[in-house]
Amino acid sequence: DAGVIQSPRHEVTEMGQEVTLRCKPISGHNSLFWYRQTMMRGLELLIYFNNNVPIDDSGMPEDRFSAKMPNASFSTLKIQPSEPRDSAVYFCASTMGLANTGELFFGEGSRLTVL
Amino acid sequence: AQSVTQLGSHVSVSEGALVLLRCNYSSSVPPYLFWYVQYPNQGLQLLLKYTSAATLVKGINGFEAEFKKSETSFHLTKPSAHMSDAAEYFCAVSHYSSASKIIFGSGTRLSIRP
Repeated sequence: DAGVIQSPRHEVTEMGQEVTLRCKPISGHNSLFWYRQTMMRGLELLIYFNNNVPIDDSGMPEDRFSAKMPNASFSTLKIQPSEPRDSAVYFCASTMGLANTGELFFGEGSRLTVL
Repeated sequence: AQSVTQLGSHVSVSEGALVLLRCNYSSSVPPYLFWYVQYPNQGLQLLLKYTSAATLVKGINGFEAEFKKSETSFHLTKPSAHMSDAAEYFCAVSHYSSASKIIFGSGTRLSIRP
């Protein structure tokens, strides 16, 4: 079975440009999560969806970040405009049901570098 | 608020030696606790989890962890380290009413010496 698929794996862009990261969760999973990983702050939960509905976006840094899940098999995380401090590895994860008793399945991540 | 603290950002052991990675948690309600492993250039994968059943939890690859309420700890151990265990390990906490909000620790990088 295919795991969580993220694209692009690597993105280098210049400050001010729009960045869109994409995620395809595992088929049948109804919860999807976006995490950001940096050396300084570790792994941070940005937002999560349940049945395509955003449940908690309190971790989204600021209005420059937005996330959508138009259907059960696709989600995007957009940064507009991007800044150098957004450089990080962004992970998408999915699970069936509740993550607190189940298992999160992570993608391989999208490494973003903003110059 | 919940949190986890991982003691030691980097641990190095010899191949065949005991692995001990430390995690202490803070939670005002009974916690659910997890250990995840991250190999280079990969996402995290679940090693084991504690969700209020047996306090000694066995996971994949020979790892286990023991929930000790009196010490607020959930340390990860493996009797004999293999070279393939070199990775970053994350302790995480959640609880029954937080639905899907899982808080991760800062991680411990495990190195194995030949």
